[in-house]
Order: sequence, then structure tokens, then C-alpha cells
Amino acid sequence: KQEVTQIPAALSVPEGENLVLNCSFTDSAIYNLQWFRQDPGKGLTSLLLIQSSQREQTSGRLNASLDKSSGRSTLYIAASQPGDSATYLCAVEDEKGAQKLVFGQGTRLTINP
Amino acid sequence: SAVISQKPSRDICQRGTSLTIQCQVDSQVTMMFWYRQQPGQSLTLIATANQGSEATYESGFVIDKFPISRPNLTFSTLTVSNMSPEDSSIYLCSVEGGVWYGYTFGSGTRLTVV
Repeated sequence: KQEVTQIPAALSVPEGENLVLNCSFTDSAIYNLQWFRQDPGKGLTSLLLIQSSQREQTSGRLNASLDKSSGRSTLYIAASQPGDSATYLCAVEDEKGAQKLVFGQGTRLTINP
Repeated sequence: SAVISQKPSRDICQRGTSLTIQCQVDSQVTMMFWYRQQPGQSLTLIATANQGSEATYESGFVIDKFPISRPNLTFSTLTVSNMSPEDSSIYLCSVEGGVWYGYTFGSGTRLTVV
């Protein structure tokens, strides 16, 4: 059974810092990995999708990497801003699964002005 | 990628009653997915809804408690039946936006049962 873990559970940093969020998964046979952002009490906004054959994806100040063999992904946020404060979730879609996402518990990020 | 309109955005309901949540997609999709997010927890898949067939439920979720309708390729509803305070959660629908977009989620329904 696939399990996804995110570390740290919470992170607070001053504005302007670069930071890294971590995601690990137990079964490396994944189809893809997706990073989401969730604001309090709201739905999910997709940030980046990495196919299993890819190593990384970039969008603006965000860069996500994938090391499938070691079961790890990182989300790098450059020059953090207070508007980046939210919970960040990673989710994997198994090759063996029927289009089912398995989510981590999330990292609650606070950027202090 | 697809755009999903979900409603209601929030509701406060009495125990023992039922609430129906609606999701409308701006394009035709084969499958729609319903998730639950309990307070302080991550998302858990409730069921997968295909048009023209009965929904497929994950372990721990049953049709009598969470009946789903899928009348066409752009619309689905999830009903939370005979609610108890333990059903207080955020409920979200999702569709796959294509191989390059991944999954898109609705804005969520925040349900409080009192």
C-alpha cells in the first residue's frame, strides 16, 4: 500500500528566504506526482505535475524535483512572499492504481513579513 | 485544464439530515472523483463516479451513506446521508485534466454537523 509522508509538518520563515519542502513515498512504481496548494478551508490549487519519466518541473518561483528510485520529491520555493503562506500537499498516482491519488499530510507554511 | 464549479461552498446541518453537494465541470470527463478531508487530516478518496454505471467506493465508504449520481459527462452529486458530527469535513470533487495537467479540484464544501 502506497504511503506518502511530508516533512516538515509546519514551517515558518521570514519573507525573502528560499525554502524546500519534502515529500517521500514508499512504492517507487508511480505514474506521476503532483504538488498542490491549499488555503485554509478551501479547495486545492495544482502547482506542478511531474510525470514519472521526468526529473523536475518549474513554474515561476517554484521548482519541483522527482527522484523516483529513492521515492522522494522536493518543492523549492524561491524568494518566499507572505502570499505563499498555505498548506502544501504532494500526491502520487500509482501505476497500479485506477486513477487514485494518495496524499501526504501536508506542510503548513507561514511566511512572516 | 478543466474548471470545476462546486456548491455549496459551506453549510451547517443538523444531525440526522442529508446534504447533497454538486459539481459541474466545464468539459466532458469520463470519471469524477469525490474526496473527504477531515479536520487536520489529508484527503481520502471516497469514490469514483463513471457516467452510466454505479460509483466505485473505497474501503470504509458505503453507498448508503454516500450515494453518488452521475447523470451525464459534466455533472455529479455526492449526498452525505443521516449526518453525524463525525461527518464534519471538507468534501471535494476532482477530475483528471489530461496527461499534462494532472488532477483539478473543486473549491470544496465545508460541512459542519451540529
